[in-house]
Amino acid sequence: AAGVIQSPRHLIKEKRETATLKCYPIPRHDTVYWYQQGPGQDPQFLISFYEKMQSDKGSIPDRFSAQQFSDYHSELNMSSLELGDSALYFCASSPPGQGYNEQFFGPGTRLTVL
Amino acid sequence: GNSVTQMEGPVTLSEEAFLTINCTYTATGYPSLFWYVQYPGEGLQLLLKATKADDKGSNKGFEATYRKETTSFHLEKGSVQVSDSAVYFCALSASNQAGTALIFGKGTTLSVSS
Repeated sequence: AAGVIQSPRHLIKEKRETATLKCYPIPRHDTVYWYQQGPGQDPQFLISFYEKMQSDKGSIPDRFSAQQFSDYHSELNMSSLELGDSALYFCASSPPGQGYNEQFFGPGTRLTVL
Repeated sequence: GNSVTQMEGPVTLSEEAFLTINCTYTATGYPSLFWYVQYPGEGLQLLLKATKADDKGSNKGFEATYRKETTSFHLEKGSVQVSDSAVYFCALSASNQAGTALIFGKGTTLSVSS
């Protein structure tokens, strides 16, 4: 079965640089979520989109922005990167009308900021 | 606010031992509850779910029952295997509305030795 695709899988950036993470949801899934997981930490919700509109917002820094496109893929844009942004970034998707918000996670993008 | 508390690890067991990982939650209304598993270097995989009180989720020998009276969703397995070694996260979704964030516990590391 098709899964959530994230690219790149690994990314190394310098402080103050920018980064763009991409997420391709499972076909026919209309909702996308972004989470950040620091080393040894639980995933923290950043932001979600339903039908290309922002749905919920968590602890996403103002330096980050995201959007969902007409083909339902999503991009997380991160600017002025800081050392503390080094983390695993997960994208998840969910299908329409399931009634209980089960989210399917991608393999993650590991971002290292030097 | 909504939150999840799960027992701290690491939990170290011998193969074929009985496993319990405690999880309690705080939420308004009627959340859906999930257990996710994360193997080293991988993303989050849904292990099981329960969407209403007294529901029992089960998968791969793991079970958890949604207990509203004790606000708990403890994970159990009768006989663990070395391949069960991973980090286990309890999570809740406060709403079934698309785009609602999952709130995770801190995770419990399970290590099973042969």
